[in-house]
Amino acid sequence: LAKTTQPISMDSYEGQEVNITCSHNNIATNDYITWYQQFPSQGPRFIIQGYKTKVTNEVASLFIPADRKSSTLSLPRVSLSDTAVYYCLVDSNQAGTALIFGKGTTLSVSS
Amino acid sequence: DTAVSQTPKYLVTQMGNDKSIKCEQNLGHDTMYWYKQDSKKFLKIMFSYNNKELIINETVPNRFSPKSPDKAHLNLHINSLELGDSAVYFCASSHKGRNTGELFFGEGSRLTVL
Repeated sequence: LAKTTQPISMDSYEGQEVNITCSHNNIATNDYITWYQQFPSQGPRFIIQGYKTKVTNEVASLFIPADRKSSTLSLPRVSLSDTAVYYCLVDSNQAGTALIFGKGTTLSVSS
Repeated sequence: DTAVSQTPKYLVTQMGNDKSIKCEQNLGHDTMYWYKQDSKKFLKIMFSYNNKELIINETVPNRFSPKSPDKAHLNLHINSLELGDSAVYFCASSHKGRNTGELFFGEGSRLTVL
C-alpha cells in the first residue's frame, strides 16, 4: 500500500505558483521522498527527490520539514502544459523493491 | 533514441487469446519492471527483474508470465486474456538499488480485451 496521502485534485490558473502537499506520517529513517508527473497517455516521469530541507531543480522545488512527516512540491508559474497527475512517493531506494504509487493529485491548469 | 520502448502501443484482442508486450531499454540499467494502470489510473507493480532474475512478483495471476532474455529486455506474455486485463501496461527500468530514486517509464501499451 502507498504510504502517502495527497489531495485528489487541484485547480490553478496559468502563471500561479502551485503547492501540492503530501502526508507521510510513517516515513522511515532511510526513506526518500520522490515526486513523479504523469501526462495523459504517457508514463510517469521523475520530477524531484529529497531527504530533508529543500531541494530545487529546473522544474520544481521540494520542501521537507524537519520531522519529514510531510512534504510540499512547489511548481512556480504553472502553464497549461503542467496539467497532469502528480504522485508523491516515499521509498528507501533499496535493491529488490519497487516504487509503490498512490492515486496522485490531478492538477488542472486553466487560462 | 527512446530510452524505454514498448511495443505494441495499442492492442485490441478477444477474450481467451494469448498476447505479448515487448519492452526494451537502452539506458544500461540492471533492473526492469512491469506496472499495470487500470481505468481508475491506479499504478500497480506487477513484476521486477534484475539482470534477468525475477526479484519482485506481486499477486498477479499465473496467466501473466514475464520473460527477460537479457537485461535490456523484459517481455510480458498474457495467456487466456480476460476482460479485467484491459489496462495500460507500463514498462520501466532503473539502476540496481535505484540510488537516484529514478524510474524511467515507457510510453505504455494500452490493452483492450473485448
